[in-house]
Amino acid sequence: GENVEQHPSTLSVQEGDSAVIKCTYSDSASNYFPWYKQELGKRPQLIIDIRSNVGEKKDQRIAVTLNKTAKHFSLHITETQPEDSAVYFCAASMDTGFQKLVFGTGTRLLVSP
Amino acid sequence: SAVISQKPSRDICQRGTSLTIQCQVDSQVTMMFWYRQQPGQSLTLIATANQGSEATYESGFVIDKFPISRPNLTFSTLTVSNMSPEDSSIYLCSGGGGSSEQYFGPGTRLTVT
Repeated sequence: GENVEQHPSTLSVQEGDSAVIKCTYSDSASNYFPWYKQELGKRPQLIIDIRSNVGEKKDQRIAVTLNKTAKHFSLHITETQPEDSAVYFCAASMDTGFQKLVFGTGTRLLVSP
Repeated sequence: SAVISQKPSRDICQRGTSLTIQCQVDSQVTMMFWYRQQPGQSLTLIATANQGSEATYESGFVIDKFPISRPNLTFSTLTVSNMSPEDSSIYLCSGGGGSSEQYFGPGTRLTVT
């Protein structure tokens, strides 16, 4: 089955810096890759996703890149703000018939003012 | 995006008892999922709740311990049976509003004493 690895487990940056979180997956059949942000005590929130037919997707300060050959994808956050502090999870699934998500282990991002 | 609610939001239960968690989606979704999240950990899929058929359980989870119902396309329940302190966790349901996006409920924080 699918296995998703995520690095780093913790990431501390200064406000205004960029942050990059990386994930690798094992199943070449996976073709849907969402990212979730989970603040303390809250539900995971879908912040961006990418499908295998594109290599990059942007939404304001966040972007996701995908390298299908290498089986890895990354989340990029630019101009970080303290409110970006949270745990971020990557996930992978097959985008057919609404398949189950396999999650990475999570990255705790701390943005210091 | 789908809006998902769960009841109860939290509960404290005695060992040996059972708790049923309800999950309501504001629109019809093809599939719903139940996850468990230990504090500081990632999300682990318990099962896929299939409408009109038995749930599909992941390795390590069995129907006798976590019976699931899915009577229609907007509602599901998860029962945690014969609870022990090891069952203390946050239980989350998710569903999709279309395509592959999954949205999560707020979670049920369960403490077993």
